[in-house]
Amino acid sequence: DVKVTQSSRYLVKRTGEKVFLECVQDMDHENMFWYRQDPGLGLRLIYFSYDVKMKEKGDIPEGYSVSREKKERFSLILESASTNQTSMYLCASSLRGNSYEQYFGPGTRLTVT
Amino acid sequence: SQQGEEDPQALSIQEGENATMNCSYKTSINNLQWYRQNSGRGLVHLILIRSNEREKHSGRLRVTLDTSKKSSSLLITASRAADTASYFCNYGQNFVFGPGTRLSVLP
Repeated sequence: DVKVTQSSRYLVKRTGEKVFLECVQDMDHENMFWYRQDPGLGLRLIYFSYDVKMKEKGDIPEGYSVSREKKERFSLILESASTNQTSMYLCASSLRGNSYEQYFGPGTRLTVT
Repeated sequence: SQQGEEDPQALSIQEGENATMNCSYKTSINNLQWYRQNSGRGLVHLILIRSNEREKHSGRLRVTLDTSKKSSSLLITASRAADTASYFCNYGQNFVFGPGTRLSVLP
C-alpha cells in the first residue's frame, strides 16, 4: 500500500513564526502536492512538484514556499505564519503518468494564534 | 472555476438505504474520479471512470458518467455507518476539489 505520512497531525504556532510541514511518501512517486482545506471551500492547491528540485505554483501560493530535495520528501514552508493560514493541510502524491489518482496523507491541522 | 460541483451539499440516510450524489463539471474531460474523506483525515481515491465509459462498478459503488450533460453520479448501495464521510469528484488533470457532499449514514 502507498503510504503518505505527514510530520504532525496537529500543530499550534504563533503569528510570525516560520513553520515547516513535512510530507514523505514511500512509493517512488514523481508527483507531490500540497493542498489546504477550509470549510465550504474544498481543497485548494498551494504548490506541486513533478520532480526533485522542481516546483509549480498552484492556485494559492502566496505566503508559502516549498522544498523538494529528495524524491520522497516534499516540504511546505510558511515563511511568516499568519492567522489566515489556520487550516487543514493535506499532502498527496501520484505517479507521473497517473496524476489523476492521488494518494493523500492524513493531514496536519495547523492553528496560528 | 475548474472544480467539480457536488450535489447535494449534505445527505442523511438510514443504514441499508442507497445514497446518490452528483457531480457537474464545465469542461471536456478524459476521465473523472471520486474520492472519499473521513472526518479529519486525508482523501482516499475510490474510482476512476474514463470519458468513453458510461458506467463503472466497484463493490457497492456505482459511478455513471454523462458527457453530454457534463455530469457524473456516485451511487452507494446498502449503505453502512462506515460510509459516513465527505465525497468529492475530481476530473481530468485538475487539482481542485470542490466542497464535496457530506454523507451521514444513521444506524
